[in-house]
Amino acid sequence: SSDLTQEPAVSVALGQTVRITCQGDTLRDYYASWYQQKPGQAPVLVIYNNNRRPSGIPDRFSGSKSGNTASLIITGAQAEDEADYYCKSRDSSGYHVVFGGGTKVTVL
Amino acid sequence: EVQLVESGGGLVQPGGSLRLSCVGSGFTFDNYEMNWVRQAPGKGLEWISFISNGGVTISYADSVKGRFTLSRDNAKNSLYLQMSSLRAEDTALYYCARVGYSDSDAFDVWGQGVMVAVSS
Repeated sequence: SSDLTQEPAVSVALGQTVRITCQGDTLRDYYASWYQQKPGQAPVLVIYNNNRRPSGIPDRFSGSKSGNTASLIITGAQAEDEADYYCKSRDSSGYHVVFGGGTKVTVL
Repeated sequence: EVQLVESGGGLVQPGGSLRLSCVGSGFTFDNYEMNWVRQAPGKGLEWISFISNGGVTISYADSVKGRFTLSRDNAKNSLYLQMSSLRAEDTALYYCARVGYSDSDAFDVWGQGVMVAVSS
């Protein structure tokens, strides 16, 4: 089982806003990053250090963290945002990386 | 173009061994920490190993510790994952991934993945 808990699935209407959460005690001490994975493709980094966006990632993707919960927000979801999203951080030892179980986002 | 390319996957019997390779190009390989992440069919991402840029610090997930060995050859821009005592549950797509930011442990570049199937 993962130390980071995500909703298995969420849906959002085209153009609307969706928030995906990632909960875990270690998030109080370590950064969260978020990865988008489309079917048959490698993951892509969309948010790092809780709220920073890599170059080339649309600004409709944003991140936040409060206490033990990190969030990925997609503002104005597009059809191409339909994918699995994974959060990542550290375990309680701090030495090991841990991924959340993933959230499947469906754009209606 | 910054790129990671994995190779070495295939079908292996339980208890067997396999060595995966990951070659980096388009960047200064020895400046970057590297990781392996795997994904079993239809499942989520699982981190399995990390190596520092100089190869001095290495860590493993409990699920592979004692069976997998990670190393790198910076002169060849290459990362190696030696897998032994393979089990059916090691069947997965294996990705190498780069730690891309000096103030973060985020994985900014991923390879396309290489498939490992463990079956008799």
